Amino acid sequence: AQSVAQPEDQVNVAEGNPLTVKCTYSVSGNPYLFWYVQYPNRGLQFLLKYITGDNLVKGSYGFEAEFNKSQTSFHLKKPSALVSDSALYFCAVRDINDYKLSFGAGTTVTVRA
Amino acid sequence: NAGVTQTPKFRILKIGQSMTLQCTQDMNHNYMYWYRQDPGMGLKLIYYSVGAGITDKGEVPNGYNVSRSTTEDFPLRLELAAPSQTSVYFCASSYSVPRGFPVPWNTEAFFGQGTRLTVV
Repeated sequence: AQSVAQPEDQVNVAEGNPLTVKCTYSVSGNPYLFWYVQYPNRGLQFLLKYITGDNLVKGSYGFEAEFNKSQTSFHLKKPSALVSDSALYFCAVRDINDYKLSFGAGTTVTVRA
Repeated sequence: NAGVTQTPKFRILKIGQSMTLQCTQDMNHNYMYWYRQDPGMGLKLIYYSVGAGITDKGEVPNGYNVSRSTTEDFPLRLELAAPSQTSVYFCASSYSVPRGFPVPWNTEAFFGQGTRLTVV
């Protein structure tokens, strides 16, 4: 069975500071990994993905994530957070040998001015 | 491009009523998913499909049914609605190469805007 853990319900940072949202996963094979963001009363918007290749993945709005196979992690990072980054962030995983796409519980990010 | 379209956007049902949530995609994606989102619980997978005529249960399938007669459409049926089915429902689609394909590839999942369902 596959699963995703986002250990922090909330992350609070000051504008201009680095932002990190943590994600660890469990799969039996190799993973496809994704990050999504959700703004209030909206659907999910794709930020970035890891399929294969370089472990450092760059995505939309200045976000990036690093795939670490030994630690089974895929943490989302942004060097300098903006107030507009305040939202709900989801990590998702799919085992390449499975069909299901599983999501973490989400992390609420608040960036204060 | 329309992407993934869900209808309706909002619905109030009485206990015991039935309804179908519609989902259609125009990207020729083979995989489609239905999720429900409850506050603080993330997204729970209800059902998924890997192609027309093929569906399977996710984590929370009880009280729901699906069908996939075409590549484009993946309706979710609620029979005998219960208050526990009050939630926001999201449909999503993606494309993935078949298992065993020499080069793994999977697009990101594209999501609809959601259906907010209240059962009273």
